[in-house]
Amino acid sequence: RKEVEQDPGPFNVPEGATVAFNCTYSNSASQSFFWYRQDCRKEPKLLMSVYSSGNEDGRFTAQLNRASQYISLLIRDSKLSDSATYLCVVTGFNNAGNMLTFGGGTRLMVKP
Amino acid sequence: NAGVTQTPKFRVLKTGQSMTLLCAQDMNHEYMYWYRQDPGMGLRLIHYSVGEGTTAKGEVPDGYNVSRLKKQNFLLGLESAAPSQTSVYFCASSYLADHQPQHFGDGTRLSIL
Repeated sequence: RKEVEQDPGPFNVPEGATVAFNCTYSNSASQSFFWYRQDCRKEPKLLMSVYSSGNEDGRFTAQLNRASQYISLLIRDSKLSDSATYLCVVTGFNNAGNMLTFGGGTRLMVKP
Repeated sequence: NAGVTQTPKFRVLKTGQSMTLLCAQDMNHEYMYWYRQDPGMGLRLIHYSVGEGTTAKGEVPDGYNVSRLKKQNFLLGLESAAPSQTSVYFCASSYLADHQPQHFGDGTRLSIL
């Protein structure tokens, strides 16, 4: 089982739609959670951190459910510019210690 | 404000050739990382460094070596390139390992023929 699992998509949605992604993680000791955005052939960029109480940044809302070990990202009023791959990232114990572990990403395509 | 800079951006090698990828950061970060990204695999950690003069293996270290002689630079070497090392390589840095996001360079596309 992968440490961080995401539905690869693609999610095809019209402009203005609300779309949600989930991500599950296997390490119950994970402490830090992030969503990154990666545009095609570009580097990953931090979108937002995910806090236990949930947090919102404009049209984006992130939630953490420790009991079920998943995090979510909700995008409201989708824009064409939201088309990208969204990477779920958690701290995870691998042979490198307590490092960030990246999910494979969920691809979002927003259509006119 | 450059952030994390990787050179080169693109490279094509023949099997058995060697090369070094350079990563430089100007944020005074202690931690630096090298990842590879392959389709459907996500980012996988190759090697990392917790400070000047120290390096450690990540998830997929075989076939690569690294050095961190200066705090701002982290070099990734391929001694004898293999087609399986065709990938996109990303360098990242962070102030701490835990609870901190990582800042990425814009990647090196490496093809091994």
